[in-house]
Amino acid sequence: AQSVTQLGSHVSVSEGALVLLRCNYSSSVPPYLFWYVQYPNQGLQLLLKYTSAATLVKGINGFEAEFKKSETSFHLTKPSAHMSDAAEYFCAVSARNAGNMLTFGGGTRLMVKP
Amino acid sequence: GAVVSQHPSRVICKSGTSVKIECRSLDFQATTMFWYRQFPKQSLMLMATSNEGSKATYEQGVEKDKFLINHASLTLSTLTVTSAHPEDSSFYICSASGQAGTEAFFGQGTRLTVV
Repeated sequence: AQSVTQLGSHVSVSEGALVLLRCNYSSSVPPYLFWYVQYPNQGLQLLLKYTSAATLVKGINGFEAEFKKSETSFHLTKPSAHMSDAAEYFCAVSARNAGNMLTFGGGTRLMVKP
Repeated sequence: GAVVSQHPSRVICKSGTSVKIECRSLDFQATTMFWYRQFPKQSLMLMATSNEGSKATYEQGVEKDKFLINHASLTLSTLTVTSAHPEDSSFYICSASGQAGTEAFFGQGTRLTVV
């Protein structure tokens, strides 16, 4: 079984500041890990994914995440926040033997202040 | 990336009626499709998994007779909410994937409001 915990349901940063969204996972098998972004009343857009290649994964829009097995973490970062980054972010885990069934974290709403 | 089209994007229906939501993979064959439900300000909860040509697998607590899922082809899955009630009002999102372990592509979502 898999589970995902996102610490902080709301994160507020100033424009230009570092963005750090936390994600910890639990999985009984080697996981695939994902970060998605959701804008209001829209579906999910994939930011990046970890599928057992490099542990530091670079995604779209300047985001990146590092897979740390010892910490069971997959935190999402961006060096400098833009106003357009304000959205809901979801971390998700998929067991490699479970097709693409995703288990989502509770989500983190990122707010960016001017 | 691949495109998954979900239709309609919004629907309002009367209590007691049925609503069908379509999920199409436009440029790839989706062997597996997933249906999620999202309540306001909450995360996505998996409702069911469907593989082309076989019966859907429902998650615990999801009424299979109320949420009918059909995956008759490699490019189309449908979710029918039968005898809808106001508590069924939610955001429904589908995703589709080809191979295990690869990216699952999401539809745009359907906002269902039952009045």
